[in-house]
Amino acid sequence: GENVEQHPSTLSVQEGDSAVIKCTYSDSASNYFPWYKQELGKRPQLIIDIRSNVGEKKDQRIAVTLNKTAKHFSLHITETQPEDSAVYFCAASEGTSYGKLTFGQGTILTVHP
Amino acid sequence: DAMVIQNPRYQVTQFGKPVTLSCSQTLNHNVMYWYQQKSSQAPKLLFHYYDKDFNNEADTPDNFQSRRPNTSFCFLDIRSPGLGDAAMYLCATSRDDLPGSSYNEQFFGPGTRLTVL
Repeated sequence: GENVEQHPSTLSVQEGDSAVIKCTYSDSASNYFPWYKQELGKRPQLIIDIRSNVGEKKDQRIAVTLNKTAKHFSLHITETQPEDSAVYFCAASEGTSYGKLTFGQGTILTVHP
Repeated sequence: DAMVIQNPRYQVTQFGKPVTLSCSQTLNHNVMYWYQQKSSQAPKLLFHYYDKDFNNEADTPDNFQSRRPNTSFCFLDIRSPGLGDAAMYLCATSRDDLPGSSYNEQFFGPGTRLTVL
């Protein structure tokens, strides 16, 4: 089955700096890669996703890049704000036609004012 | 306009006492999932329903069962909860009703936090 590795496990930045979280996956058939943000005690919220036919996608301060050859994808957050502090999970779809996801281990992002 | 609803939000049960968690959705999605999430860990898929077809993960203990009486509702039954089953249980939905589509976004409910005494 799919295996997703996520790094780093914790990330601390100053407000206004950029943050980058990286994930690798094992199943070359995976074709969908979402990123979820989860605040303490709350549900995971989709913040951005990318499909295998696209190399990069951007939404305001958030961007995701995908390298299918190397089987890795990254989340980039620019101009970080304290409210960006949360746990971020990457995930990969196992290549089936619907959304069975395998999650990475999570990154605790702390943005210091 | 809640889309995925879970009840109760907090559940306390005793060791070995059966408990049922419920999930309902207003999205008319054909796929429903149950995840277990322990503190500081990623959500772990327990099983999912594709329409009425039940799909169990290989490492999901037999202690966990599920029912989906109709499109909107799905239940998680824990037959004999142990201390290790204390966790947040997340329900999620997605759709796959367009042939050849890859519409995979999953929508999560708020979760039920289970405490086992």
